[in-house]
Amino acid sequence: EAQVTQNPRYLITVTGKKLTVTCSQNMNHEYMSWYRQDPGLGLRQIYYSMNVEVTDKGDVPEGYKVSRKEKRNFPLILESPSPNQTSLYFCASSLYPGLAIEQYFGPGTRLTVT
Amino acid sequence: GDSVTQMEGPVTLSEEAFLTINCTYTATGYPSLFWYVQYPGEGLQLLLKATKADDKGSNKGFEATYRKETTSFHLEKGSVQVSDSAVYFCALSDPGTGFQKLVFGTGTRLLVSP
Repeated sequence: EAQVTQNPRYLITVTGKKLTVTCSQNMNHEYMSWYRQDPGLGLRQIYYSMNVEVTDKGDVPEGYKVSRKEKRNFPLILESPSPNQTSLYFCASSLYPGLAIEQYFGPGTRLTVT
Repeated sequence: GDSVTQMEGPVTLSEEAFLTINCTYTATGYPSLFWYVQYPGEGLQLLLKATKADDKGSNKGFEATYRKETTSFHLEKGSVQVSDSAVYFCALSDPGTGFQKLVFGTGTRLLVSP
C-alpha cells in the first residue's frame, strides 16, 4: 500500500531533550516536506527536500533540522525542544513539486514539550 | 506573499443540507488550487484540485470552481452526510515558488448531524 508513515504518533518530552520524528514513504517520491499544524494558523511548512542531500527552509525552520540521506526517509530533528514547538506535525511527499501534483500526507505526530 | 483565507468554523449542518465553505487567495503567480480534507485522527487527503481559471474540480459530490476574477475557490456540496464531518483546508501552490510548498488556509471544521 502506498503510504507515508511517521513515528512516533504521540510524544511527550521535556524542554531541551533532543528528539527525532521519523518519516518514510514507499512511493519513490523525490519531494518531501514537513509541516506543523497549530490552531488558527493552519499548516505551515518547516523544511522541504527536492531529492537526496537537497534540503531547504520553509516558512518556520527555526529550532528544527532535517536530513535526506535516502530517498525514502526524511527525519525531523529537534535538537533542543521548547514548549513553543508543541504542535501537530505532518510529513508529506510527492512525485515532484509541480502543477497540480498531489502531496500525500502521513498520519501526524502530536508532540508536547513541557 | 501568498496567502489563503477561509471562513471560520465550525460550520454546523443537518444531514442533506447544502454546504458552502468560502476560500479566497492572494498569490504572486498563477497558482494551482486545492481542497484537502482531514478526518479525525488522520492526515490530510486531497479532495479536489484545479489548475487554471474556470476549471471545476470535483470529487465525492464536492465541487469547487477556480475563479480568477474574484480570486476564489469556494467548496460546495449539494447534500452533506454525517460522514462528511471533518476539517477542510483550502490551499494553493504557486509557480513563483517552483510549486515547492503548499500554502494553507486555517481550516474550516464541518459538523454534520443526523
